[in-house]
Amino acid sequence: QVHLVQSGGEMTKPGASVKVSCQTSGYNFMMYDISWVRQAPGQGLEWMGWISPYNGDTKYSQKLQGRVTVTTDTSTSTVYMELRSLRSDDTAVYYCVRSGTYYNLYFDSWGQGTLVTVSS
Amino acid sequence: EIVMTQSPATLSVSPGERATLSCRASQSVSSTLAWYQQRPGQPPRLLIYGTSTRATGIPARFSGIGSGTEFNLTISSLQSEDFAVYFCQQYSSWPPVTFGPGTKVDIK
Repeated sequence: QVHLVQSGGEMTKPGASVKVSCQTSGYNFMMYDISWVRQAPGQGLEWMGWISPYNGDTKYSQKLQGRVTVTTDTSTSTVYMELRSLRSDDTAVYYCVRSGTYYNLYFDSWGQGTLVTVSS
Repeated sequence: EIVMTQSPATLSVSPGERATLSCRASQSVSSTLAWYQQRPGQPPRLLIYGTSTRATGIPARFSGIGSGTEFNLTISSLQSEDFAVYFCQQYSSWPPVTFGPGTKVDIK
Protein backbone atom coordinates (compact mmCIF):
# COMPACT_ATOMS: atom_id res chain seq x y z
CA GLN A 1 0.00 0.00 0.00
CA VAL A 2 1.27 3.44 -0.94
CA HIS A 3 2.15 5.72 1.98
CA LEU A 4 3.39 9.29 2.02
CA VAL A 5 4.18 10.33 5.60
CA GLN A 6 5.10 13.93 6.24
CA SER A 7 6.99 15.59 9.05
CA GLY A 8 5.16 17.41 11.82
CA GLY A 9 3.77 20.90 11.99
CA GLU A 10 6.06 23.90 12.19
CA MET A 11 5.67 27.34 13.73
CA THR A 12 8.17 29.86 12.47
CA LYS A 13 8.80 33.57 12.05
CA PRO A 14 8.73 35.82 8.99
CA GLY A 15 12.01 35.71 7.10
CA ALA A 16 12.91 32.23 8.29
CA SER A 17 13.00 28.98 6.32
CA VAL A 18 11.19 25.71 6.72
CA LYS A 19 11.99 22.25 5.42
CA VAL A 20 9.25 19.62 5.26
CA SER A 21 9.94 15.96 4.61
CA CYS A 22 7.82 13.29 2.92
CA GLN A 23 8.81 9.68 3.49
CA THR A 24 7.37 7.34 0.88
CA SER A 25 6.80 3.60 0.96
CA GLY A 26 4.84 0.85 -0.75
CA TYR A 27 5.95 1.50 -4.31
CA ASN A 28 9.03 1.92 -6.51
CA PHE A 29 10.24 5.38 -5.50
CA MET A 30 12.08 5.97 -8.78
CA MET A 31 9.05 5.31 -10.97
CA TYR A 32 6.71 8.05 -9.73
CA ASP A 33 7.13 11.79 -9.50
CA ILE A 34 6.38 13.94 -6.46
CA SER A 35 4.91 17.41 -6.31
CA TRP A 36 4.16 19.75 -3.41
CA VAL A 37 0.76 21.39 -3.14
CA ARG A 38 -0.28 23.85 -0.44
CA GLN A 39 -3.59 25.03 0.93
CA ALA A 40 -3.97 28.22 2.93
CA PRO A 41 -6.63 28.13 5.68
CA GLY A 42 -10.08 27.92 4.11
CA GLN A 43 -8.63 28.35 0.63
CA GLY A 44 -8.01 26.32 -2.52
CA LEU A 45 -5.05 24.31 -3.72
CA GLU A 46 -1.81 25.76 -5.06
CA TRP A 47 0.84 23.71 -6.85
CA MET A 48 4.36 24.62 -5.79
CA GLY A 49 6.84 22.37 -7.54
CA TRP A 50 7.71 18.95 -8.95
CA ILE A 51 10.60 16.53 -8.89
CA SER A 52 11.41 13.36 -10.78
CA PRO A 53 13.24 11.00 -8.39
CA TYR A 54 14.46 9.10 -11.45
CA ASN A 55 16.71 11.86 -12.78
CA GLY A 56 16.36 14.71 -10.28
CA ASP A 57 14.66 17.09 -12.73
CA THR A 58 12.66 19.83 -11.03
CA LYS A 59 10.10 22.44 -12.02
CA TYR A 60 8.67 25.18 -9.85
CA SER A 61 5.81 27.62 -9.76
CA GLN A 62 6.97 30.94 -11.15
CA LYS A 63 5.29 32.63 -8.19
CA LEU A 64 7.59 30.77 -5.77
CA GLN A 65 10.68 30.48 -7.98
CA GLY A 66 13.77 31.36 -6.02
CA ARG A 67 12.16 30.66 -2.64
CA VAL A 68 11.34 26.95 -2.97
CA THR A 69 13.57 23.93 -3.50
CA VAL A 70 12.49 20.29 -3.79
CA THR A 71 15.05 17.53 -3.32
CA THR A 72 15.13 13.79 -2.83
CA ASP A 73 17.12 11.27 -0.83
CA THR A 74 16.88 8.11 -2.89
CA SER A 75 18.54 6.04 -0.17
CA THR A 76 15.52 6.61 2.11
CA SER A 77 12.82 7.27 -0.53
CA THR A 78 12.24 10.67 1.03
CA VAL A 79 11.38 13.97 -0.63
CA TYR A 80 12.05 17.38 0.93
CA MET A 81 10.55 20.79 0.30
CA GLU A 82 12.34 23.88 1.58
CA LEU A 83 10.65 27.28 1.51
CA ARG A 84 12.75 30.35 2.34
CA SER A 85 12.06 33.97 3.25
CA LEU A 86 8.75 33.00 4.79
CA ARG A 87 5.88 35.49 4.94
CA SER A 88 2.61 35.39 6.82
CA ASP A 89 0.78 34.42 3.64
CA ASP A 90 2.89 31.24 3.45
CA THR A 91 0.83 29.94 6.38
CA ALA A 92 -0.79 26.83 4.94
CA VAL A 93 -1.05 23.07 5.02
CA TYR A 94 1.63 21.64 2.75
CA TYR A 95 1.03 18.31 1.00
CA CYS A 96 3.39 16.04 -0.85
CA VAL A 97 1.59 14.25 -3.66
CA ARG A 98 2.48 11.42 -6.02
CA SER A 99 1.93 11.44 -9.75
CA GLY A 100 2.71 9.23 -12.70
CA THR A 101 4.67 10.25 -15.74
CA TYR A 102 5.56 13.79 -16.77
CA TYR A 103 2.49 13.91 -19.01
CA ASN A 104 0.13 12.59 -16.35
CA LEU A 105 0.49 15.04 -13.52
CA TYR A 106 -2.61 14.11 -11.61
CA PHE A 107 -2.13 13.17 -7.98
CA ASP A 108 -3.18 9.71 -6.90
CA SER A 109 -1.70 9.66 -3.41
CA TRP A 110 -1.44 12.46 -0.86
CA GLY A 111 0.53 12.88 2.33
CA GLN A 112 -1.38 13.71 5.50
CA GLY A 113 -0.35 17.36 5.30
CA THR A 114 1.99 19.54 7.36
CA LEU A 115 0.71 22.78 8.85
CA VAL A 116 3.29 25.55 8.60
CA THR A 117 2.39 28.66 10.58
CA VAL A 118 4.34 31.86 9.96
CA SER A 119 3.82 34.44 12.65
CA SER A 120 5.87 36.99 14.53
CA GLU B 1 -1.04 30.03 -17.01
CA ILE B 2 -4.33 28.21 -17.51
CA VAL B 3 -7.00 29.55 -15.16
CA MET B 4 -9.63 27.12 -13.91
CA THR B 5 -13.06 28.22 -12.74
CA GLN B 6 -15.81 26.16 -11.10
CA SER B 7 -19.52 26.64 -10.70
CA PRO B 8 -21.48 26.89 -8.60
CA ALA B 9 -19.41 27.84 -5.57
CA THR B 10 -21.90 25.98 -3.36
CA LEU B 11 -24.42 23.35 -4.36
CA SER B 12 -27.16 22.34 -1.93
CA VAL B 13 -28.48 18.87 -2.61
CA SER B 14 -30.67 16.36 -0.77
CA PRO B 15 -29.31 12.85 -0.11
CA GLY B 16 -30.18 10.55 -2.98
CA GLU B 17 -30.39 13.39 -5.50
CA ARG B 18 -28.11 13.95 -8.48
CA ALA B 19 -25.44 16.65 -8.43
CA THR B 20 -23.64 18.13 -11.41
CA LEU B 21 -20.55 20.28 -10.90
CA SER B 22 -18.94 22.33 -13.65
CA CYS B 23 -15.35 23.24 -14.39
CA ARG B 24 -14.09 25.55 -17.10
CA ALA B 25 -10.55 26.15 -18.38
CA SER B 26 -9.35 29.47 -19.81
CA GLN B 27 -7.93 27.58 -22.80
CA SER B 28 -8.18 24.04 -24.08
CA VAL B 29 -6.72 21.35 -21.83
CA SER B 30 -7.79 18.52 -24.14
CA SER B 31 -8.79 15.67 -21.81
CA THR B 32 -6.10 16.24 -19.17
CA LEU B 33 -8.51 17.10 -16.38
CA ALA B 34 -8.77 15.56 -12.92
CA TRP B 35 -11.30 15.86 -10.08
CA TYR B 36 -10.63 15.60 -6.35
CA GLN B 37 -12.85 15.35 -3.29
CA GLN B 38 -11.84 16.92 0.02
CA ARG B 39 -13.66 16.20 3.24
CA PRO B 40 -13.10 18.49 6.26
CA GLY B 41 -9.73 17.97 7.91
CA GLN B 42 -8.54 15.52 5.26
CA PRO B 43 -6.26 15.77 2.24
CA PRO B 44 -7.93 15.73 -1.16
CA ARG B 45 -8.63 12.37 -2.78
CA LEU B 46 -8.35 11.67 -6.50
CA LEU B 47 -11.73 10.79 -8.00
CA ILE B 48 -11.33 11.11 -11.76
CA TYR B 49 -8.41 11.59 -14.17
CA GLY B 50 -8.25 11.92 -17.92
CA THR B 51 -11.66 13.63 -17.74
CA SER B 52 -13.63 10.40 -17.26
CA THR B 53 -11.50 7.59 -15.77
CA ARG B 54 -12.37 6.77 -12.18
CA ALA B 55 -9.44 6.30 -9.82
CA THR B 56 -8.96 3.05 -7.96
CA GLY B 57 -11.76 2.38 -5.49
CA ILE B 58 -14.00 5.25 -6.59
CA PRO B 59 -17.68 4.25 -6.77
CA ALA B 60 -19.49 4.20 -10.11
CA ARG B 61 -21.86 6.97 -8.97
CA PHE B 62 -19.05 9.41 -9.80
CA SER B 63 -18.66 10.19 -13.49
CA GLY B 64 -16.84 12.81 -15.51
CA ILE B 65 -17.37 14.17 -18.99
CA GLY B 66 -16.09 16.96 -21.19
CA SER B 67 -13.22 18.06 -23.38
CA GLY B 68 -11.38 21.22 -24.35
CA THR B 69 -12.56 23.88 -21.93
CA GLU B 70 -15.81 22.55 -20.43
CA PHE B 71 -16.04 19.67 -17.98
CA ASN B 72 -18.64 18.22 -15.61
CA LEU B 73 -18.52 15.90 -12.62
CA THR B 74 -21.77 14.14 -11.84
CA ILE B 75 -22.63 12.31 -8.63
CA SER B 76 -25.65 10.23 -9.55
CA SER B 77 -27.16 9.68 -6.10
CA LEU B 78 -25.59 11.60 -3.24
CA GLN B 79 -24.58 9.63 -0.18
CA SER B 80 -23.83 11.20 3.20
CA GLU B 81 -20.07 10.79 2.67
CA ASP B 82 -20.23 12.75 -0.61
CA PHE B 83 -20.91 16.09 1.08
CA ALA B 84 -17.53 17.70 0.64
CA VAL B 85 -15.57 20.17 -1.50
CA TYR B 86 -14.67 19.19 -5.06
CA PHE B 87 -11.74 20.60 -7.03
CA CYS B 88 -10.87 20.25 -10.70
CA GLN B 89 -7.26 20.37 -11.92
CA GLN B 90 -5.65 20.66 -15.33
CA TYR B 91 -2.35 19.03 -16.20
CA SER B 92 -2.24 19.82 -19.89
CA SER B 93 0.12 22.75 -19.78
CA TRP B 94 2.49 23.02 -16.86
CA PRO B 95 4.18 24.47 -14.99
CA PRO B 96 2.08 25.42 -13.33
CA VAL B 97 -0.47 22.73 -12.70
CA THR B 98 -3.62 24.68 -11.77
CA PHE B 99 -6.70 23.93 -9.73
CA GLY B 100 -10.18 25.39 -9.72
CA PRO B 101 -11.38 27.23 -6.60
CA GLY B 102 -13.69 24.38 -5.60
CA THR B 103 -17.39 23.63 -5.31
CA LYS B 104 -18.81 22.85 -1.90
CA VAL B 105 -21.61 20.29 -1.93
CA ASP B 106 -23.71 20.61 1.18
CA ILE B 107 -26.90 19.11 2.50
CA LYS B 108 -30.13 20.78 1.45
